[in-house]
Parts: sequence; structure tokens; C-alpha cells
Amino acid sequence: AQSVTQLDSHVSVSEGTPVLLRCNYSSSYSPSLFWYVQHPNKGLQLLLKYTSAATLVKGINGFEAEFKKSETSFHLTKPSAHMSDAAEYFCVVTPTGTASKLTFGTGTRLQVTL
Amino acid sequence: DVKVTQSSRYLVKRTGEKVFLECVQDMDHENMFWYRQDPGLGLRLIYFSYDVKMKEKGDIPEGYSVSREKKERFSLILESASTNQTSMYLCASSLTGARGYGYTFGSGTRLTVV
Repeated sequence: AQSVTQLDSHVSVSEGTPVLLRCNYSSSYSPSLFWYVQHPNKGLQLLLKYTSAATLVKGINGFEAEFKKSETSFHLTKPSAHMSDAAEYFCVVTPTGTASKLTFGTGTRLQVTL
Repeated sequence: DVKVTQSSRYLVKRTGEKVFLECVQDMDHENMFWYRQDPGLGLRLIYFSYDVKMKEKGDIPEGYSVSREKKERFSLILESASTNQTSMYLCASSLTGARGYGYTFGSGTRLTVV
């Protein structure tokens, strides 16, 4: 069985300050982990992925995430928020080495204020 | 770029109607998926298909069925629509062995059942 828990349903930051979106996972197998972003009225876009290579993963738009097996965490960070980062973010898990279904977290809505 | 096209952006249907949601992908992907997205619940898998005429139940298949007669097309069917099926429906496709990063999502169909 696999699952992800996004610890915050809503995060608000000021433009130019760091972003931290938290995700913990549970998986019976060695997992692949992802972050997807969904802007209002848009489809889901892959932000970054971890598939058992480097534990620090860099994604698009300055985001990165670190896979910490000991903490079963995969938190998403960005050093400096931009207004265009306002969106909903989903942490996702799937067992490595399979083409099986993605399991989504419940989402974190990021608000960026001036 | 892979395109996943969902036939309708918005739909309004009456309780008891039979509803068809259509999804077409243009890159010869083997796997196709239907998810339902609700606030606070994230995305939940309804059904997926890994080949023509093949289907498997996801986490919430009750009240839904699917059809995949051609590789590029995956239809979600609500046999008798009910108000609790009011939701955003997302279709996705992937290659076998893509391990998540090959998933491409459509823009979604927002279904309202009245």
C-alpha cells in the first residue's frame, strides 16, 4: 500500500520569501515521488520527480525537493516566492519500476501576497 | 508534445441521465486513467486501462464504468448520474514503464449534476 500526506492544506507567503510545502509518504516498495502543480483552470503539470537517483531533486521554476528516507519525507522548497507560484500543489507517490497508478495527496494551496 | 484532450470543459446534466466523458490522446500511450478531483480530497483514481479493451478498477469505481475500444480513446460513463458525482474529472495517459513522469493530464471536465 502507498499513501502521501500533505501536512498543510493552505500556505501563505509573501513575495520574495521562502516556500516550504510539506509531504510525508508511506510505501511498501521503494517509491517514486513527484510534485505536480495546478494553476487555476489549468491541467496538472509535473514540477519535479524522484526516482531513486539523487536525493536532492531540482525542478522547474526554481523549485526543489529532498527525498529523506529516514524521515519518509519529500518536502518542496523554493528560496524566493513569486506571485506566479500561487497554485495548488500535489505530492504524488507510485512504486518504482512499475507503470502503476499514481496516488495523490490532498493538495496544498499556495497563496503569495505582496 | 503529448496532448490529452477532454471533449468538454463544462457539463451540466440532470440526475438519472447517462453521461459520457470522452478523452483522447495523440501519442500512442498504452495507459490511460480517469481521476476525480474534489476540494480537500485531492485526485482519486476511478478506473484505468493499460491496453485496448482492458480496464481495472481504481479506488472509487462505484457508479462509474469505462470503455476503451481504441488505443487513443478512453471514455468514462456515469450510468445514472447523481448529485454526488458533481466534480472535476481529469483524464491522463502514459507509456508503460513511465513511472509517473510520463503522465500527461487533460485540462479537465467540470461536471455538475442537478
